[in-house]
Amino acid sequence: EADIYQTPRYLVIGTGKKITLECSQTMGHDKMYWYQQDPGMELHLIHYSYGVNSTEKGDLSSESTVSRIRTEHFPLTLESARPSHTSQYLCASQGQRSYEQYFGPGTRLTVT
Amino acid sequence: QQQVKQSPQSLIVQKGGISIINCAYENTAFDYFPWYQQFPGKGPALLIAIRPDVSEKKEGRFTISFNKSAKQFSLHIMDSQPGDSATYFCAASLNSGYALNFGKGTSLLVTP
Repeated sequence: EADIYQTPRYLVIGTGKKITLECSQTMGHDKMYWYQQDPGMELHLIHYSYGVNSTEKGDLSSESTVSRIRTEHFPLTLESARPSHTSQYLCASQGQRSYEQYFGPGTRLTVT
Repeated sequence: QQQVKQSPQSLIVQKGGISIINCAYENTAFDYFPWYQQFPGKGPALLIAIRPDVSEKKEGRFTISFNKSAKQFSLHIMDSQPGDSATYFCAASLNSGYALNFGKGTSLLVTP
């Protein structure tokens, strides 16, 4: 099983709060991704990084931001949470010479 | 724009039957086509994948059939078991090592 971790697993917060979703991997992978998964199952790419100090926005417009200061760590931040941010957030990583993406267990976020 | 179209959205199969999920893509530059399996409360996990230079790949009860000219690929689950009940996603990526474009997912239920 892949060593990729996400915390918290579940989070319920009020509108306007700032939150950071943590993602860490111990495999030394260069590439990391954040996906948003709707209740209807579809995954949308919101951010990705191909290495330290490299971050890009994905296909789905998102009000979140990410940083990649260390190889193993790829946190996602929402400056001011809104009910529209309610979703499941999945983090994934991928080795430089591998096609496979390894997913974390996800963070289920509810904004009230 | 949905780059990978997946059908059906849901599927019910009796134990021992064959489950078939289909995907179609538009971008002929895609060169990596994985299938992911997701159980409730977990992140997706790679099930099987294929490159466009082969027409079929089999791993145990799972087979990918790939039709390059039709730009279609499908997952066949032989001798389906209740433990196969999960959500299945097809995906495609450009240059193999980059972000995945996911289909919308198929919820499979295998009845005893």
